[in-house]
Amino acid sequence: DAGVIQSPRHEVTEMGQEVTLRCKPISGHNSLFWYRQTMMRGLELLIYFNNNVPIDDSGMPEDRFSAKMPNASFSTLKIQPSEPRDSAVYFCASSFAGAPDTQYFGPGTRLTVL
Amino acid sequence: QQQVKQSPQSLIVQKGGISIINCAYENTAFDYFPWYQQFPGKGPALLIAIRPDVSEKKEGRFTISFNKSAKQFSLHIMDSQPGDSATYFCAASRQGSNYKLTFGKGTLLTVNP
Repeated sequence: DAGVIQSPRHEVTEMGQEVTLRCKPISGHNSLFWYRQTMMRGLELLIYFNNNVPIDDSGMPEDRFSAKMPNASFSTLKIQPSEPRDSAVYFCASSFAGAPDTQYFGPGTRLTVL
Repeated sequence: QQQVKQSPQSLIVQKGGISIINCAYENTAFDYFPWYQQFPGKGPALLIAIRPDVSEKKEGRFTISFNKSAKQFSLHIMDSQPGDSATYFCAASRQGSNYKLTFGKGTLLTVNP
């Protein structure tokens, strides 16, 4: 089992650029969560999908953020345009219907916006 | 609005000692309370969890104590080891929300040899 896969692991970009973060959930998992981690705010849920459908995006900070899940094995989180305050570690997590209370986190993408 | 408050922010314990981390929640609809462990450069990983129908759950050296009336729960690490040094997050969720997690701010635990 490869676990949740995220790419890239590190991303450095300049303010105003578009950033796309990618996630491959564990095979067979039907729920996918995107989190952001900062020192100030801790771990925050941005959005989650169930069976590829966005269920709750109330944590998405503003319209610059968007997320998609075109199929069960892939999701993206896009920031356009990026700003320095978006600098954080972004985690993707997945869970499966048989044990929905257990989320498996990926290694994260450390984003730095200059 | 911080729905799960965690303390302390950091904790230093000697090897063999007991580490205690506390959390308090506000939303009485929460019905699932996990603890996650995170090592530097890694994602959080589920450590242990409890539901409000029991007051305590033990797995090896890790114990969760739960006080429903006080809306508090805590993690006890017995015989703490240097390998336990990590950041610990409490969280809360409810089954009806697809177990959407609300996390505490985290506690950085350092166990000195």
